[in-house]
Amino acid sequence: AQSVTQLDSQVPVFEEAPVELRCNYSSSVSVYLFWYVQYPNQGLQLLLKYLSGSTLVKGINGFEAEFKKSETSFHLTKPSAHMSDAAEYFCVVSDRSGGGADGLTFGKGTHLIIQP
Amino acid sequence: EAQVTQNPRYLITVTGKKLTVTCSQNMNHEYMSWYRQDPGLGLRQIYYSMNVEVTDKGDVPEGYKVSRKEKRNFPLILESPSPNQTSLYFCASSLAGNYGYTFGSGTRLTVV
Repeated sequence: AQSVTQLDSQVPVFEEAPVELRCNYSSSVSVYLFWYVQYPNQGLQLLLKYLSGSTLVKGINGFEAEFKKSETSFHLTKPSAHMSDAAEYFCVVSDRSGGGADGLTFGKGTHLIIQP
Repeated sequence: EAQVTQNPRYLITVTGKKLTVTCSQNMNHEYMSWYRQDPGLGLRQIYYSMNVEVTDKGDVPEGYKVSRKEKRNFPLILESPSPNQTSLYFCASSLAGNYGYTFGSGTRLTVV
């Protein structure tokens, strides 16, 4: 079994300021790691994923995340926030041993608020 | 266009009246899942399916049923809906776990 903790329920940042959304996970098996974004009144969109290899992964819209195994963390960052980044962000894990067939375990989400 | 289609998008029903939320994907994906989203709780998995006729419970299966008779369809059935099943529901599918999942647009269900 695995679990995901998103340390902040909401993060306010000023436009053009850097963004960091924090995520820690726990699992007894190896996992795939994902970040999904949900814009208001829409479904979920895959932002980026870590499968293996380079621990720094780049996603869409200028976001990136770094996998730190020793810290069991997968924090999401962006150098400069835009108003269009305002959304709910979910850190997600999937059981690698099962090939991801049994679906995803979600964190509770972080609401990113962009202030002008 | 590759997509996961859920219907209906919005549904208001009364307690105890059986309903079905349909989910269809056109990507030939083997894996499909249902989730419910509630404020402060994030998304929780209801049921998942690894292939035709293969389904299993997720974290919150009580009060729900699913079937997977064809690869493309994965309907969610509420035999006797109750107000605590009022929620936003998402269907998702994946070719393989390392591809990530593609989500439908959601079904907002209200049970009164």
